[in-house]
Amino acid sequence: EVQLVESGGGLVQPGGSLRLSCEASGFDVSDKYMSWVRQAPGQGLEWVACFQGDGKTYYSDSVKGRFTISRDNSKSMLFLQMNSLRVDDTAVYFCVNGGVIAAFDLWGQGRLVTVSS
Amino acid sequence: SYVLTQPPSVSVAPGETATITCGGNSIGTKAVHWYQLKPGQAPVLVLYYDTDRPSGIPERISGTSSGHTATLTISGVEAGDEAGYYCQVWDRASEHSVFGPGTEVTVL
Repeated sequence: EVQLVESGGGLVQPGGSLRLSCEASGFDVSDKYMSWVRQAPGQGLEWVACFQGDGKTYYSDSVKGRFTISRDNSKSMLFLQMNSLRVDDTAVYFCVNGGVIAAFDLWGQGRLVTVSS
Repeated sequence: SYVLTQPPSVSVAPGETATITCGGNSIGTKAVHWYQLKPGQAPVLVLYYDTDRPSGIPERISGTSSGHTATLTISGVEAGDEAGYYCQVWDRASEHSVFGPGTEVTVL
């Protein structure tokens, strides 16, 4: 079965760090665009970051310099390292297949990240 | 940065047609993708590259894009179509993906 399964997340204090992981199964991630998209409580969808097949990365202005997207092709894993977390980073984070001009055609179930003191 | 606009809400009776617009500067020159989002669920891609439907998406969902407006149309609306709908593009200039603010479709 083709799917994405996220892990990690949880509650963290402002200024803290968290790492999200995403395991892909049923397809080869090595030449794919893969991304993270988030949805804050009661809000719409917001693109966070994208990892291109050749290793190039893209970030939204709101997370650039604080978040790092990476991938381990051998393990079919995508990661999002989140540092200097802020209250407004609180959201459900989705791992997604797709990015740049390609549509987001496969979504994980999402992981809640709560930043609060 | 590139901005997309959508009406906040659209209400439609069962069996009628829902039209959801997505406005953006020269959006007709970009690839537009559309997603359906229901509470507590992951988003679902319903249209890609303006007009194409993924497998499993019914033919009564269609799309167009030209000039400064892209449109998603749901014909013969059913109760199960009640959801938020989001348009999305890749902005080459900023190297950012951009989502519209979303449109809530209510089936009366």
